[in-house]
Amino acid sequence: AQRVTQPEKLLSVFKGAPVELKCNYSYSGSPELFWYVQYSRQRLQLLLRHISRESIKGFTADLNKGETSFHLKKPFAQEEDSAMYYCALRIQGGKLIFGQGTELSVKP
Amino acid sequence: ETGVTQTPRHLVMGMTNKKSLKCEQHLGHNAMYWYKQSAKKPLELMFVYSLEERVENNSVPSRFSPECPNSSHLFLHLHTLQPEDSALYLCASSPDPYQPQHFGDGTRLSIL
Repeated sequence: AQRVTQPEKLLSVFKGAPVELKCNYSYSGSPELFWYVQYSRQRLQLLLRHISRESIKGFTADLNKGETSFHLKKPFAQEEDSAMYYCALRIQGGKLIFGQGTELSVKP
Repeated sequence: ETGVTQTPRHLVMGMTNKKSLKCEQHLGHNAMYWYKQSAKKPLELMFVYSLEERVENNSVPSRFSPECPNSSHLFLHLHTLQPEDSALYLCASSPDPYQPQHFGDGTRLSIL
């Protein structure tokens, strides 16, 4: 069955510390992975997608098919990074399957 | 307002009422979606429309009835809802089902 797992509901770090939000997926086909972010009082928006292989707001994510993971990383967290982060898997037909989300809290 | 717009932002209704949620996008997208976000659960895809045709119905109860009259508008008609249907309902759109989705702010629905 297709599934996206984000094991951490809440991740709290201090400003300037490295941050890694974990995402694991289960899918027998060719996966396409995304990270979406929702800042306080804002709508859910796309942060990055694995096929772009780009860095957005200092965040990167590498698809590891061997470990079926797509962890989101940033070397130095900023207070404005505090938000809900959702990992999503696109499967055949364009359907998106979301993880449960991880709340990132960056403390000053 | 650009992007995806949802109305109303909040809705409180009784179990016997009939109401509709509205979603509108002027991004020129051809695919539109309804999601349900309940507390402590992942976003659940409910319906997908592509070029105004329903292409996905994710085993949603018949008390939820979608309508896509044109590529810019999507409705979710509600009737005889249950308390467990209380949730945030999100609308999204994308150029096609294989492109990243743009989300609205959602409608917070409470069933009394």
